[in-house]
Amino acid sequence: EAGVTQFPSHSVIEKGQTVTLRCDPISGHDNLYWYRRVMGKEIKFLLHFVKESKQDESGMPNNRFLAERTGGTYSTLKVQPAELEDSGVYFCASSQEPYGYTFGSGTRLTVV
Amino acid sequence: LAKTTQPISMDSYEGQEVNITCSHNNIATNDYITWYQQFPSQGPRFIIQGYKTKVTNEVASLFIPADRKSSTLSLPRVSLSDTAVYYCLVGDSRGRGSTLGRLYFGRGTQLTVWP
Repeated sequence: EAGVTQFPSHSVIEKGQTVTLRCDPISGHDNLYWYRRVMGKEIKFLLHFVKESKQDESGMPNNRFLAERTGGTYSTLKVQPAELEDSGVYFCASSQEPYGYTFGSGTRLTVV
Repeated sequence: LAKTTQPISMDSYEGQEVNITCSHNNIATNDYITWYQQFPSQGPRFIIQGYKTKVTNEVASLFIPADRKSSTLSLPRVSLSDTAVYYCLVGDSRGRGSTLGRLYFGRGTQLTVWP
C-alpha cells in the first residue's frame, strides 16, 4: 500500500510570502496529523483531523497557519504570511484504529 | 504525561549490540512505551512497543523492568543503516501520548554507527 505522501519535499520562500503544504494520507485512514520540527527543537504536534473535522488544533502556533482537509482525504497546511521562525520540517502522519501512525517524509520549509 | 529522558547521542561500530535507555519516572499505569526511529529526510517510523517485561520483533528488543520507570531499546548487531535518531515515547497504546491522539516527542538519541 502507498504510504503517506507529502508535497513539496522542500520549499524556499521569502518572508511574507504564502506557502501551501500538501499531505496525502494512506487511503482509508480517518486520522490525519500535522507535526513540525523547527531548528534545534523537538517534533511538536500541530493538529489532528478525524475525517474532515478538526479534532484538535491546539498545537497551531498562530492564525497565520490554516489547515484544511477536503472531503476527509488529502490535507493542506497554508502559512500566510510566512515568517522566518516558520522554517523547519513539517511532517504529516495518518492512522487508523487499531493501527499506529505512519509518517510522511516531511516538507522542509525555509523562509528567507 | 510522562516526560522521557534519553541520551543525546551514542556511537557504535558495526556488528555491536546497542542499548539505548530511556527514563520515564512518571509513567502512568495505563501508559505504553513506544520507540520510533527516524532517518535523515524521513518521518519517524514505529519500531517497537511494550508495556512490561520484554518484547522482541524482527528489528529490536524492548526491555522494561518491573517498576516501568525506564526502558531499554536493544538493537542487535547494528549496521551502518541503523544510524538514525531514536525516540522514546510514553502514552496510551500506539504511543499516542494522550487520548486526543497526539504524540509527544523528546529530543531523541542520535545513534551513529561507524564501520
